[in-house]
Amino acid sequence: EAGVAQSPRYKIIEKRQSVAFWCNPISGHATLYWYQQILGQGPKLLIQFQNNGVVDDSQLPKDRFSAERLKGVDSTLKIQPAKLEDSAVYLCASSLEPRLGYGYTFGSGTRLTVV
Amino acid sequence: AQTVTQSQPEMSVQEAETVTLSCTYDTSENNYYLFWYKQPPSRQMILVIRQEAYKQQNATENRFSVNFQKAAKSFSLKISDSQLGDTAMYFCAFRHGGSQGNLIFGKGTKLSVKP
Repeated sequence: EAGVAQSPRYKIIEKRQSVAFWCNPISGHATLYWYQQILGQGPKLLIQFQNNGVVDDSQLPKDRFSAERLKGVDSTLKIQPAKLEDSAVYLCASSLEPRLGYGYTFGSGTRLTVV
Repeated sequence: AQTVTQSQPEMSVQEAETVTLSCTYDTSENNYYLFWYKQPPSRQMILVIRQEAYKQQNATENRFSVNFQKAAKSFSLKISDSQLGDTAMYFCAFRHGGSQGNLIFGKGTKLSVKP
């Protein structure tokens, strides 16, 4: 099966600019996650979708971050305006039945550098 | 709140030898799942092995096995016959068994396999 697709792979922007990341999960995976991984740390959840509904966005900085999942398939994560501390790798993951302990399948991530 | 602790920031091992990576976690839940993920420089998180908390038998996947000590809340990963391709960051992760919830990661252990 095809994996989780993410684009772009790299992005460099200046602070206060906006940026968007795209994710296409594995076909049939209802649950989709966006994680932020700062250098030297483990990934931290930003937002979780079940189909096209938000399950958990408690750790999403909503003053600058937004995400949507149209039609329960592809998802986009946007940052506007970006800050220096947003420099990180943004990972998208999907899972078939996470409540049954299925593992998550991750994409290759987008490395964002804010200068 | 659940937490995952990896106390070894870096480890090294000679090719063909065995290495054990440590992980402890804290939870009041009884139904949960534990995972080890590998993250090579390509950034993609790859599932190495998973363990259901209700199973006493330790999970094994080829050269990878775990030592799951539920009472001690310990979940270590043993890599036998280490190969150069095992060089990567290794993350321990926890997920409770409910319909919500997400993977909670430790800070990772950087493993270097030396020829």
